[in-house]
Amino acid sequence: AQKVTQAQTEISVVEKEDVTLDCVYETRDTTYYLFWYKQPPSGELVFLIRRNSFDEQNEISGRYSWNFQKSTSSFNFTITASQVVDSAVYFCALRSGNTGKLIFGQGTTLQVKP
Amino acid sequence: DGGITQSPKYLFRKEGQNVTLSCEQNLNHDAMYWYRQDPGQGLRLIYYSQIVNDFQKGDIAEGYSVSREKKESFPLTVTSAQKNPTAFYLCASSIDPGRLNTEAFFGQGTRLTVV
Repeated sequence: AQKVTQAQTEISVVEKEDVTLDCVYETRDTTYYLFWYKQPPSGELVFLIRRNSFDEQNEISGRYSWNFQKSTSSFNFTITASQVVDSAVYFCALRSGNTGKLIFGQGTTLQVKP
Repeated sequence: DGGITQSPKYLFRKEGQNVTLSCEQNLNHDAMYWYRQDPGQGLRLIYYSQIVNDFQKGDIAEGYSVSREKKESFPLTVTSAQKNPTAFYLCASSIDPGRLNTEAFFGQGTRLTVV
């Protein structure tokens, strides 16, 4: 069975703090992709990053970085020097198989206070 | 501009009524999806379609129906059989269901409330 778990329901930080959002996944497929999406108050999900199962290199994009570890089935997301505009719900998702279905975690609500 | 358009943004339904949520995309994507979002439960898949005139049930299809008569359109009907329809509904599309490395694009959602 495929499953994505985001154990942190809500996180609250003060602006400029670093924050890490955890994501743990389960799949029996050897080929799969992992995604992170951001959902601002407007409701639309915004794509942030994808990572395939054969590429465990960490990635940094500005203040965002991602740590993918197959050994622990984790794909964690870190925001450095958080800003108020980072306040949103963040979803981790898994895609494998031939249907293209995205399996989402429960989401983590991040609140960044000024 | 290319994208996914969902309408209406807000929808109110009386108990016992069927309502239809619209989803249109001009991205020329083959696959389309409907998700339901409830607080604390993330996004759950209702139905998906990989090609015109074909669709499959997702994890929570009971009380919902869809059609895919055109590539651009994937309307969702919430029937009176759906016991708890109040939720936020998101439509998505992706270029090819077999291409795992492509992200899904989402509409802005429809918030359905039963009154």
